[in-house]
Amino acid sequence: GEDVEQSLFLSVREGDSSVINCTYTDSSSTYLYWYKQEPGAGLQLLTYIFSNMDMKQDQRLTVLLNKKDKHLSLRIADTQTGDSAIYFCAEISNQAGTALIFGKGTTLSVSS
Amino acid sequence: DAGVTQSPTHLIKTRGQQVTLRCSPISGHKSVSWYQQVLGQGPQFIFQYYEKEERGRGNFPDRFSARQFPNYSSELNVNALLLGDSALYLCASSLEGGGGDEQYFGPGTRLTVT
Repeated sequence: GEDVEQSLFLSVREGDSSVINCTYTDSSSTYLYWYKQEPGAGLQLLTYIFSNMDMKQDQRLTVLLNKKDKHLSLRIADTQTGDSAIYFCAEISNQAGTALIFGKGTTLSVSS
Repeated sequence: DAGVTQSPTHLIKTRGQQVTLRCSPISGHKSVSWYQQVLGQGPQFIFQYYEKEERGRGNFPDRFSARQFPNYSSELNVNALLLGDSALYLCASSLEGGGGDEQYFGPGTRLTVT
């Protein structure tokens, strides 16, 4: 079945880089996404990567995709306290339309 | 431009009651999806609609139903509420609901069942 796994917590100091990791199971996933959720809020789309790419950079964000290992990572450079949030990795389901299958989320805590 | 809007923001219901949640997509978006997010978990897919037709359904009981209107807004209905239905219900809109479409989420409706 489809499943997305993420580590639950990450703690970093302000100014450091953060790396959030994710593994997925559906090798036919065409798009993989990163969303951010702040307390009490909905989900904010951060970035996404097409499966024929292995890297995508967008300002402070870098996404790396290892299709062979079904591993996705999100690197946040120069992490700020405002980056503290829950980060969700998601893949497109092939079994239910174009539904997103989410991981449980990684809570990023940034200390000053 | 307004983002995805959802109403109400919060709702408290009693077991056995019925609830209707509403969603207005971003202007120009024709697809709406619904997700349930239980505390401490990632969102789980419930339904996707495109041009008023159901395009996909997640693993939820028949107590959950939805529809999409000609103006592309959508309603999610849940009958015979259970305590386990307490969650944040998120609506997402996209242009056509295709695999490469970006899905934009609303702020959600927090449902508490007592």
